[in-house]
Amino acid sequence: TQLLEQSPQFLSIQEGENLTVYCNSSSVFSSLQWYRQEPGEGPVLLVTVVTGGEVKKLKRLTFQFGDARKDSSLHITAAQPGDTGLYLCAGDRAQKLVFGQGTRLTINP
Amino acid sequence: GAVVSQHPSWVICKSGTSVKIECRSLDFQATTMFWYRQFPKQSLMLMATSNEGSKATYEQGVEKDKFLINHASLTLSTLTVTSAHPEDSSFYICSASSIQGLYGYTFGSGTRLTVV
Repeated sequence: TQLLEQSPQFLSIQEGENLTVYCNSSSVFSSLQWYRQEPGEGPVLLVTVVTGGEVKKLKRLTFQFGDARKDSSLHITAAQPGDTGLYLCAGDRAQKLVFGQGTRLTINP
Repeated sequence: GAVVSQHPSWVICKSGTSVKIECRSLDFQATTMFWYRQFPKQSLMLMATSNEGSKATYEQGVEKDKFLINHASLTLSTLTVTSAHPEDSSFYICSASSIQGLYGYTFGSGTRLTVV
C-alpha cells in the first residue's frame, strides 16, 4: 500500500494549458515537499509546505497543503515545454521522507 | 546552501563483485542520511536510514546483509552493494538532513549502478 497516492502518474498536455497534480494520503504529515527530477539526477526541491491550508506560489506553480495536512496539490498555469519532467511529492513522517509514485509530465509545443 | 555530493555518478560492475557508493555533505553536518533506490520510470523507494555512529535502520524487504550502510562521520555515509547481481542494477540516491533539520532534506545527484 502506497502511503502517498500521487495522481495522475502520467500527463501529456499542450503548451499553454493548465494542470493540477494531486498527492493524497490517509496519514498526517508534519510537512510535505514537492520535487522535480530530471533523468539521471537527484530530485530538486521546489517547495515545502508545513501549515494546514498553506498556499505557496513559485512563478506559475501554485502549491497547496490540505487543512488536515494529509494532502497537497500542485497547479501549473500556462504550462511550457520547459516544465516537462518528473514531479514528486514527499511527506515527512517520523523524520523520514516517503515519496509518492511521481507524475511524469510532458508539455508538447 | 546545503550540498550533498554522491560518488560515483555511474558504475558498471561484474556479477558477484561489491560496489561502494559514497555520500558526503559538503557544507553541513548530516545527523541522518537516507538511501533510496529508483527503478526506471518509478519513484524513489526508501531503503534505509542511518544516523551517525549507529546502525542503519532498514525498510521492510531490504536485505541488510546485501546493502551495507556505514555512517561513520557527520559528513559521510557509504552504501556497499555486496555480491551484486543484475537485478541490483538501479539508480541509487542518498539524502541528508542536518541537525535540527536546518536544511531540510538535501539529495545527492544519484549513482547509476549496472551489474553485468
